[in-house]
Amino acid sequence: NAGVTQTPKFQVLKTGQSMTLQCAQDMNHNSMYWYRQDPGMGLRLIYYSASEGTTDKGEVPNGYNVSRLNKREFSLRLESAAPSQTSVYFCASSAAGTSGVSSYEQYFGPGTRLTVT
Amino acid sequence: GNSVTQMEGPVTLSEEAFLTINCTYTATGYPSLFWYVQYPGEGLQLLLKATKADDKGSNKGFEATYRKETTSFHLEKGSVQVSDSAVYFCALSGWGAQKLVFGQGTRLTINP
Repeated sequence: NAGVTQTPKFQVLKTGQSMTLQCAQDMNHNSMYWYRQDPGMGLRLIYYSASEGTTDKGEVPNGYNVSRLNKREFSLRLESAAPSQTSVYFCASSAAGTSGVSSYEQYFGPGTRLTVT
Repeated sequence: GNSVTQMEGPVTLSEEAFLTINCTYTATGYPSLFWYVQYPGEGLQLLLKATKADDKGSNKGFEATYRKETTSFHLEKGSVQVSDSAVYFCALSGWGAQKLVFGQGTRLTINP
């Protein structure tokens, strides 16, 4: 049981390049999330997906797109990277939306450290 | 809307000291409350949780009690260790809500 996995762990991009961050979970969770964490700041929600086939914007969606490929996988795409997108990106999943579940704690991956020069 | 306010850091303590990190919340209804811990270079890990008033969550010597009358969920540990050095986040989940609301995090450093 690997939990939430993310690839890659580290990435350096030049301004204007594109890339996709991958996330997968093996806990059969309905909901998945992408956050960014900047130095000295807490977590900010970029996008989330309450179920397969649905996605919704979070607090800071500009410059990003997401795809909920299937129940396990949720990817984050930067179409044209900017230095302001230098950050650590975390994927998370939870059982939110599952019948009979009353506590919606989220489980986090190890993060992707992205630098845009 | 729902919100979480955490004690500002950083907090620096000596080994074996008593720890309190304050957390208060604003929410409608009956939220669930969580403490997460983030060790250097890692993702967030769930430390403990409480889902109803007067519940006490505990793990690894840490405790927090869900106090509805004071809308608080303070994190405590009786004797901290150097290995407890990390950033701690308080969070809440509103009833039926898909998203968590996080506090800003409190950086804790324990000196030997």
